[in-house]
Amino acid sequence: KAGVTQTPRYLIKTRGQQVTLSCSPISGHRSVSWYQQTPGQGLQFLFEYFSETQRNKGNFPGRFSGRQFSNSRSEMNVSTLELGDSALYLCASSLETLYNEQFFGPGTRLTVL
Amino acid sequence: SQQGEEDPQALSIQEGENATMNCSYKTSINNLQWYRQNSGRGLVHLILIRSNEREKHSGRLRVTLDTSKKSSSLLITASRAADTASYFCATDARSTLTFGKGTMLLVSP
Repeated sequence: KAGVTQTPRYLIKTRGQQVTLSCSPISGHRSVSWYQQTPGQGLQFLFEYFSETQRNKGNFPGRFSGRQFSNSRSEMNVSTLELGDSALYLCASSLETLYNEQFFGPGTRLTVL
Repeated sequence: SQQGEEDPQALSIQEGENATMNCSYKTSINNLQWYRQNSGRGLVHLILIRSNEREKHSGRLRVTLDTSKKSSSLLITASRAADTASYFCATDARSTLTFGKGTMLLVSP
């Protein structure tokens, strides 16, 4: 089976812009989660989607949003980018829940200038 | 503050030695997971231990869980240079999955 794929791999944006990141989970996986990783804060949970519904949400402002499509593919959007949004954004998929084994994609490296 | 905190922050050992890293957490959990991250393979799931389990093995990995102390340890036996990576514990609490800051392990040939 193909692993979790994320596009794009690298992205450079300026403050105030918005960005959309894409994630394709492993075939058959219905749970997709997003994480932000920075040197200062480490790995932080953003949200989890299951069957096109947001099931769990971390402690991030409303500028961070996401959605899941019927084929389980997911997108994450960040509006009104801030310098502090520069990070590695990781997507993970699992069969049913983020509380069991998750398979992570390679991440999207976002730089906000 | 982090739900899971790994200790030590960094560990440097020689190939063949054992490596032990610890994770402490604050609230009750259902499961605790360990993940490894290196530049080559990204973030990879290593092992999951449930709250009603005390010890679990997977190859050269041994994980223990002490729910009374809210702590877990990951032991890597006979370490190899390829084990060089950051290791994270992840706990489920309050409808989120919380990762610690990680332990950076360097295994020298």
